Amino acid sequence: SAVISQKPSRDICQRGTSLTIQCQVDSQVTMMFWYRQQPGQSLTLIATANQGSEATYESGFVIDKFPISRPNLTFSTLTVSNMSPEDSSIYLCSVDGGPSYEQYFGPGTRLTVT
Amino acid sequence: RKEVEQDPGPFNVPEGATVAFNCTYSNSASQSFFWYRQDCRKEPKLLMSVYSSGNEDGRFTAQLNRASQYISLLIRDSKLSDSATYLCVVNRDPGNTPLVFGKGTRLSVIA
Repeated sequence: SAVISQKPSRDICQRGTSLTIQCQVDSQVTMMFWYRQQPGQSLTLIATANQGSEATYESGFVIDKFPISRPNLTFSTLTVSNMSPEDSSIYLCSVDGGPSYEQYFGPGTRLTVT
Repeated sequence: RKEVEQDPGPFNVPEGATVAFNCTYSNSASQSFFWYRQDCRKEPKLLMSVYSSGNEDGRFTAQLNRASQYISLLIRDSKLSDSATYLCVVNRDPGNTPLVFGKGTRLSVIA
């Protein structure tokens, strides 16, 4: 399976500011995904990031709030814009990587907005 | 109806016990099925894929019933290290859409 790293691992941010989370993979992958996991909840997909095209957002998530970049096949960023306390969550990136289309996850970024 | 439903637990079992988790999914077009394990404050990790014929990996056995839209995970001879949250995961359209996660079932194995 791919080795995935995320930066930062955690951050505490003030409301109204923005944070960019980086996701780096040790091999080229076609699809990368960004998820959010709020406290006590399961994972919710934010968007799918494909290299060379705009990200595809899930219902309830918009590009202005969560802009995504995918400049190449090993890297993606997610920005959480104009943050509010409701954005406090763990943000995870994942990649597809198996014959059964399973996904592998990065270690996550724990965001707290005060 | 939620797309993937699981009993949240917690399941508190003694070491050596056998425990079973169940999961139902609503979309009959679903193609791929997985169990993930998530430890506290960690990312989900793939435990096993679930195949129509059922599959076994050591102490873990997964079953799929497409007619009933039901997935199960059986853990035999539970270890303390099995304590975690087990996530039932479904992929509606492999290669084209992302995964849909259940809320997870918490397992605590007690000495």
